[in-house]
Amino acid sequence: KAGVTQTPRYLIKTRGQQVTLSCSPISGHRSVSWYQQTPGQGLQFLFEYFSETQRNKGNFPGRFSGRQFSNSRSEMNVSTLELGDSALYLCASSLDPDRSDTGELFFGEGSRLTVL
Amino acid sequence: KQEVTQIPAALSVPEGENLVLNCSFTDSAIYNLQWFRQDPGKGLTSLLLIQSSQREQTSGRLNASLDKSSGRSTLYIAASQPGDSATYLCAVSGNTPLVFGKGTRLSVIA
Repeated sequence: KAGVTQTPRYLIKTRGQQVTLSCSPISGHRSVSWYQQTPGQGLQFLFEYFSETQRNKGNFPGRFSGRQFSNSRSEMNVSTLELGDSALYLCASSLDPDRSDTGELFFGEGSRLTVL
Repeated sequence: KQEVTQIPAALSVPEGENLVLNCSFTDSAIYNLQWFRQDPGKGLTSLLLIQSSQREQTSGRLNASLDKSSGRSTLYIAASQPGDSATYLCAVSGNTPLVFGKGTRLSVIA
């Protein structure tokens, strides 16, 4: 069974550009969530999607957005990149986040974004 | 607001030692608690999931316990090996999305 797949794995952008990251969840998982990981702040929640609907959003500016498609694949977009957006962006999927026994999160390898 | 704390931040032990990693959380209204392992530059690997109704879970040399009333969880690693060297993170889910601790960086010295 394939795990969570994130693309691209590495990318370099310059300030002011925009970036789109992709996440394919484990087959059958309908929930996808995104996290930003930096050395200083640790893992911070960005947003969660379930059946194409955004259910929760973290405390990030509007430059960060996302969406989920009917096949549960998800994308996140960051516009007008800033130096501080350099981070490892992690995607996770789960079967059913509303049940304690099926809410286990499975993470992808992440997309490492460097903003110059 | 849920806050998760992990102590110690870093730990170095000789191979073969049994060790305990600690995780504490401020809001006991949780659905479950999950322990993860992260190798440098990699994603997170799920180790154990403890549902709110459970007291502990075991997988191989790993045993995790949960005490909701005191807001604590421990991850016990038996007979540590150099391959166990990694950062271990705990995360709790509840009325808010998953909240992570900052992790414990473990080094097992051969």
